[in-house]
Amino acid sequence: QVQLVQSGSELKKPGASVKVSCKASGYTFTSYAMNWVRQAPGQGLEWMGWINTNTENPTYAQGFTGRFVFSLDTSVSTAYLQISSLKADDTAVYYCARDRDSFDYWGQGTLVTVSS
Amino acid sequence: SSELTQDPAVSVALGQTVRITCQGDSLRSYYARWYQQKPGQAPVLVIYGKNNRPSGIPDRFSGSSSGDTASLTITGAQAEDEADYYCNSRDSSGNVVFGGGTKLTVL
Repeated sequence: QVQLVQSGSELKKPGASVKVSCKASGYTFTSYAMNWVRQAPGQGLEWMGWINTNTENPTYAQGFTGRFVFSLDTSVSTAYLQISSLKADDTAVYYCARDRDSFDYWGQGTLVTVSS
Repeated sequence: SSELTQDPAVSVALGQTVRITCQGDSLRSYYARWYQQKPGQAPVLVIYGKNNRPSGIPDRFSGSSSGDTASLTITGAQAEDEADYYCNSRDSSGNVVFGGGTKLTVL
């Protein structure tokens, strides 16, 4: 069965970096794009962008350029989201989601808390 | 505009029918997808395409579209349908956009 399993919660200080992983199983990893979605506490879903799992080319949504990096390790069917220079308002749950015209499978989410 | 607008909250009596709407220019070109999110859980796709349900989604969920407005209808709402519902689509650049979400309360 298809699964996207994300890494565990992170507590980081402002200015630090974090790398969230999303390991896919149950399907051919390169057959679907991988998207990232942010959900701040009590807020809605916000699309961060996506990465082409064939070309490894990332596309970032407005507001998610510069400090956000999407990457892949196709040898282990894993997508990564790295956020640098963390700020308090980066505190959110981050989801990966498989995409072929709809987000049909989602990871369980990774809570990133930024606090001094 | 690439925005999608949803009513923040909707309520329905148990067993009755409720329609949740999503409005935006992009919906004239792309079908909305609908996601259900319960507290503390990841979103789940409930409707995609013209009116398609993924495996495991009850047939009381249906989708429709007219002009710039997409609708998710729950016919015979159940207590377990109480959740937040989000629509999404793509804008003219192919970027994904989400609606602000609708909190459904089943009375």
